[in-house]
Amino acid sequence: GDSVTQMEGPVTLSEEAFLTINCTYTATGYPSLFWYVQYPGEGLQLLLKATKADDKGSNKGFEATYRKETTSFHLEKGSVQVSDSAVYFCALSESYTGANSKLTFGKGITLSVRP
Amino acid sequence: NAGVTQTPKFRVLKTGQSMTLLCAQDMNHEYMYWYRQDPGMGLRLIHYSVGEGTTAKGEVPDGYNVSRLKKQNFLLGLESAAPSQTSVYFCASRDPRGSQPQHFGDGTRLSIL
Repeated sequence: GDSVTQMEGPVTLSEEAFLTINCTYTATGYPSLFWYVQYPGEGLQLLLKATKADDKGSNKGFEATYRKETTSFHLEKGSVQVSDSAVYFCALSESYTGANSKLTFGKGITLSVRP
Repeated sequence: NAGVTQTPKFRVLKTGQSMTLLCAQDMNHEYMYWYRQDPGMGLRLIHYSVGEGTTAKGEVPDGYNVSRLKKQNFLLGLESAAPSQTSVYFCASRDPRGSQPQHFGDGTRLSIL
């Protein structure tokens, strides 16, 4: 079955540091890939997405590139801010526009950014 | 601009009690989902619905029932609560057309004593 593996956390960085959060996946078809962010006390919000190989999703300074050859979708940001402290989830969907577009989530990783 | 609204936000139950969690969305979405979030487990799909009057089992459906009598509402029921159902529950909805994301509510924190 489908699965998403995220690097172990938590991660603590200083403000303005470079961020990489690794995500690899296993899927039987051609999935769409997502990063969701969860701020304290809130639900998940879509951060970015990519629907086919070599696509780059970007939002709020975050980027991730869909790498089919390495089955990866690593999240990066060049300079993190305290406000980026949150839990980050990598997810995939096998049939994004299909009748049962379910998401398979990784376990999430907590990012804390120090001033 | 409510989006997805979950009620209640917090609840404490005793083992064996029953309750219903309500999810309401005002975006006219066809698809709705119930997840639970547990430490170190990510989000796991409990049940979902692809339209009014339809429901289907997700990854962890045991001990839960759902109903989708109206398009905008998706109810999650616990008939006989167990401590293993202590969790944070999230509802989500989605427009099935094109590349649309799931929209999540803010969650319901449920404790079973």
